[in-house]
Amino acid sequence: GDSVTQTEGPVTVSESESLIINCTYSATSIAYPNLFWYVRYPGEGLQLLLKVITAGQKGSSRGFEATYNKETTSFHLQKASVQESDSAVYYCALGDNNNAPRFGAGTKLSVKP
Amino acid sequence: GPKVLQIPSHQIIDMGQMVTLNCDPVSNHLYFYWYKQILGQQMEFLVNFYNGKVMEKSKLFKDQFSVERPDGSYFTLKIQPTALEDSAVYFCASSLGLQTGEQYFGPGTRLTVL
Repeated sequence: GDSVTQTEGPVTVSESESLIINCTYSATSIAYPNLFWYVRYPGEGLQLLLKVITAGQKGSSRGFEATYNKETTSFHLQKASVQESDSAVYYCALGDNNNAPRFGAGTKLSVKP
Repeated sequence: GPKVLQIPSHQIIDMGQMVTLNCDPVSNHLYFYWYKQILGQQMEFLVNFYNGKVMEKSKLFKDQFSVERPDGSYFTLKIQPTALEDSAVYFCASSLGLQTGEQYFGPGTRLTVL
């Protein structure tokens, strides 16, 4: 089936350090998957952070970036300099126009001041 | 922005009893979803619902599960009877269309079955 595997948390980094959260995917029923990163801040619902629908393209939002790499089936999330307000749980997901999104297990990020 | 609410935030119940999880979706949305996440595991799709009917369900959506949205009120997930393995956080979502990325998610209901 379709699945997503991401960095097992929790991940702790200091403010202004760089961050990478790995995500790899397997799409067996979706020919051209769209890839997503969602974020869930404490006490809130999951919200879309960024999405990329074309292989080879990069998505970015709030200083975060992720590149859709079809060769390595990866969609790693990166940020050059994290802030304390980035502390949250990050979910990688794949989907398309006809199916509900499939999520990874989530990676809890804690940013130390 | 628009918010999806879930009631209650926590629910503790004895095995074998019935439980109903409530979701208040975004008001003009047409598609509704439930996801289940066991601690430390993947967030798994359970079911989506449109126009009064289940559109798609996963193998996790057991016979003991049912969903409904009577008269445009709460979108509910009922489990009857509950089992120990139903302990998880259940996330509701709603969307105007089917495209991934359109969904708005609630904060989740933590269900503990004793």
